Amino acid sequence: QVQLQESGPGLVKPSETLSLTCTVSGGSISSYYWSWIRQPAGKGLEWIGRIYTSGSTNYNPSLKSRVTMSVDTSKNQFSLKLSSVTAADTAVYYCARGHSGSYFLDYWGQGTLVTVSS
Amino acid sequence: QSVLTQPPSVSGAPGQRVTMSCTGSSSNIGAGYDVHWYQQLPGTAPKLLIFGNKNRPSGVPDRFSGSKSGTSASLAITGLQTEDEADYYCQSYDSSLTAWVFGGGTMLTVL
Repeated sequence: QVQLQESGPGLVKPSETLSLTCTVSGGSISSYYWSWIRQPAGKGLEWIGRIYTSGSTNYNPSLKSRVTMSVDTSKNQFSLKLSSVTAADTAVYYCARGHSGSYFLDYWGQGTLVTVSS
Repeated sequence: QSVLTQPPSVSGAPGQRVTMSCTGSSSNIGAGYDVHWYQQLPGTAPKLLIFGNKNRPSGVPDRFSGSKSGTSASLAITGLQTEDEADYYCQSYDSSLTAWVFGGGTMLTVL
């Protein structure tokens, strides 16, 4: 059974960079789109972006200037960096596995709350 | 405001059938992009419910079904159960935004 687990600081100061890692276990990291989605408290889901195991990326245009994703296949991990954060970036951040072709997300991490505050 | 519009809430009694819509446009659902549905129980991560408009992953009961027509998609749930009470999100691709998008979500209340 594939499992995903997010890790990283739960508190980030305004203007700094949010960094999260997702560790994949129970399956290969190859041939999937590894994705990040966030959800502010009481609100809906927002797609942040995805990275293929080759390193190819797609980012939400609304966040593209601040987002960087990377993948480390040797560690079965992928990462998210979001720069110049503000309070509006406070949310639960989920990592998920996405299928190529018809891009749907079949395995999700439990989510991690990141609060942006001084 | 998402480009995929979902009703904020729907409700039904146990055993009944409910449907919820996901309305898009010619740049997403109407352009032929697949629609996927997720169920989010309170305090948990979303779970894939329907993929490719109408397909159920292994383990999802056949009480859940999806359909798509024109610029809209629908999720139907038959034989409502109290454990179905959750938020439901549709997802598709939007060529104008060049991004994958989620609907705003529909909260299902089982009366």
